[in-house]
Amino acid sequence: GDSVTQMEGPVTLSEEAFLTINCTYTATGYPSLFWYVQYPGEGLQLLLKATKADDKGSNKGFEATYRKETTSFHLEKGSVQVSDSAVYFCALSGSRLTFGEGTQLTVNP
Amino acid sequence: DTAVSQTPKYLVTQMGNDKSIKCEQNLGHDTMYWYKQDSKKFLKIMFSYNNKELIINETVPNRFSPKSPDKAHLNLHINSLELGDSAVYFCASSQGSQEESPLHFGNGTRLTVT
Repeated sequence: GDSVTQMEGPVTLSEEAFLTINCTYTATGYPSLFWYVQYPGEGLQLLLKATKADDKGSNKGFEATYRKETTSFHLEKGSVQVSDSAVYFCALSGSRLTFGEGTQLTVNP
Repeated sequence: DTAVSQTPKYLVTQMGNDKSIKCEQNLGHDTMYWYKQDSKKFLKIMFSYNNKELIINETVPNRFSPKSPDKAHLNLHINSLELGDSAVYFCASSQGSQEESPLHFGNGTRLTVT
């Protein structure tokens, strides 16, 4: 069945550091891929998405490129801020939406 | 102008009790969901309703019973609460299937069973 694997957390960075959170997937067909973010005390919200191979999703300085050849959708940001501290979830839409296990990011000033 | 609202935000109760969580969305979406998030942040879908009809029913104890009086509301009733039910429960909605459009989540209900 479909599955999503994220890099284990937690990840701790200093402000202005470069961020990468790895995400790989297993799916049949051509799923859409998503990153959701969960800020403390809140529900998840969509951060970005990509619907086909080589698409790049971007929002709030975050980017992720749909790589079919490596079945990956890694999340990147060039310079993180304290306000980016949250849990990040990679997800794919196959027969149903499948979430990864989440990666806790803490950014220190 | 809250899009997806859940009540209560916190719920502390004893084992064996019955409790309900309510959810309402004002986005005009036709599909609503219940998710359970455990202490390690793992997210698991429990139920999904489309236009008041149950379309996803995961392997969830039948002590959990969802009810959708109309497409803007999806409530979750839990009978005979157990310690293992302690978690954060999220309601969500989307237009169409979750594969087609992004989910909009409520802020969660933190259930603690003592």
